[in-house]
Amino acid sequence: DTGVSQDPRHKITKRGQNVTFRCDPISEHNRLYWYRQTLGQGPEFLTYFQNEAQLEKSRLLSDRFSAERPKGSFSTLEIQRTEQGDSAMYLCASSPGAGGYQETQYFGPGTRLLVL
Amino acid sequence: ELKVEQNPLFLSMQEGKNYTIYCNYSTTSDRLYWYRQDPGKSLESLFVLLSNGAVKQEGRLMASLDTKARLSTLHITAAVHDLSATYFCAVDRNFGNEKLTFGTGTRLTIIP
Repeated sequence: DTGVSQDPRHKITKRGQNVTFRCDPISEHNRLYWYRQTLGQGPEFLTYFQNEAQLEKSRLLSDRFSAERPKGSFSTLEIQRTEQGDSAMYLCASSPGAGGYQETQYFGPGTRLLVL
Repeated sequence: ELKVEQNPLFLSMQEGKNYTIYCNYSTTSDRLYWYRQDPGKSLESLFVLLSNGAVKQEGRLMASLDTKARLSTLHITAAVHDLSATYFCAVDRNFGNEKLTFGTGTRLTIIP
């Protein structure tokens, strides 16, 4: 039983470059979430998907950010024209999405982004 | 806007002692979660609290929820070094496990 996986685990890029992260949720989990965590802070919600539909986006998700989940399985998060302020840990989570009473979100290991 | 506050932000305690972490939130919520995060690692789910008066226990950790006071507590009993980590509470505004709003975390250090 594998958990949520993310790739790459670390990314160093220069300001202005584009980066793309991938998240593979737990098998058969319908919901997939993206969060961003900066040092010393709690995770902040970015967006989430129910199957392939993107249902909510945070105001934190500027026009430079785009997320997809084309077939309702894995998801990608792309950041265009990166800025130093984008440096953070990007966390992906998934949940069954069946509305179960005890349902929780299971987090992946994260992708740590450093923009130079 | 939903706000979630934790205190203390930092906590050093000796092994064997008891202590409580507090989580306050600003608006009505259906669910409250506690997560643990080790340095450089991801978040591990500890508890899901769903109703007023809910209490859950796992080992030396016990979590409770008072929805009227908009307060949850995480109580640590007879602390051991392995419990050193950052603990986050998170609140889900909408029934249905949608977006979570996290507190700033409590960094717990257990001293031998």
